[in-house]
Amino acid sequence: EDQVTQSPEALRLQEGESSSLNCSYTVSGLRGLFWYRQDPGKGPEFLFTLYSAGEEKEKERLKATLTKKESFLHITAPKPEDSATYLCAVQAGGGADGLTFGKGTHLIIQP
Amino acid sequence: ETGVTQTPRHLVMGMTNKKSLKCEQHLGHNAMYWYKQSAKKPLELMFVYSLEERVENNSVPSRFSPECPNSSHLFLHLHTLQPEDSALYLCASSQGAAGTNEKLFFGSGTQLSVL
Repeated sequence: EDQVTQSPEALRLQEGESSSLNCSYTVSGLRGLFWYRQDPGKGPEFLFTLYSAGEEKEKERLKATLTKKESFLHITAPKPEDSATYLCAVQAGGGADGLTFGKGTHLIIQP
Repeated sequence: ETGVTQTPRHLVMGMTNKKSLKCEQHLGHNAMYWYKQSAKKPLELMFVYSLEERVENNSVPSRFSPECPNSSHLFLHLHTLQPEDSALYLCASSQGAAGTNEKLFFGSGTQLSVL
């Protein structure tokens, strides 16, 4: 059974204080690892897809990396508008199984 | 209008009611999904439609009944729900057929409360 574990569950940072969110996964045949951002009262918004170990992707203050067992979302010099819940998801196997999500990390950036 | 639109945004229903959730995507995508999001739990996949045919029913109780009349519209019909069915129901779409590793575009969801 595919499993995705995100840590920490919640993280409070000061504005400008860099940190990383972790996503550990156990899947049979990873086809893609996805990061989403979810704001209160809204659906998840796509950030990145990573396909193979060693791959990195960047967008503004966010950088996602992937190893064979986990992914990190690095947040550099965050701003209050980066406050959100960040969700990690994996797609595995060969069928139309959709994505398996983690519970998310609730990130708060204090001014 | 662009993106994925869900209506209603909020719904309160009794256990004996029948209601329907509606989803419309304006992206020209080929696959549509229903996800359930409960507090403190990961998003759970409920149903997948690819090219208007259901390809995945993730062991969902029969009190939830999906309908996909065309590639742009998706419904979730609800009847005799239980209080534990209260959750945020999210619709999503993807460009390729389901299972082709496409990123998902989500609507804002319907917050359902079952009394």
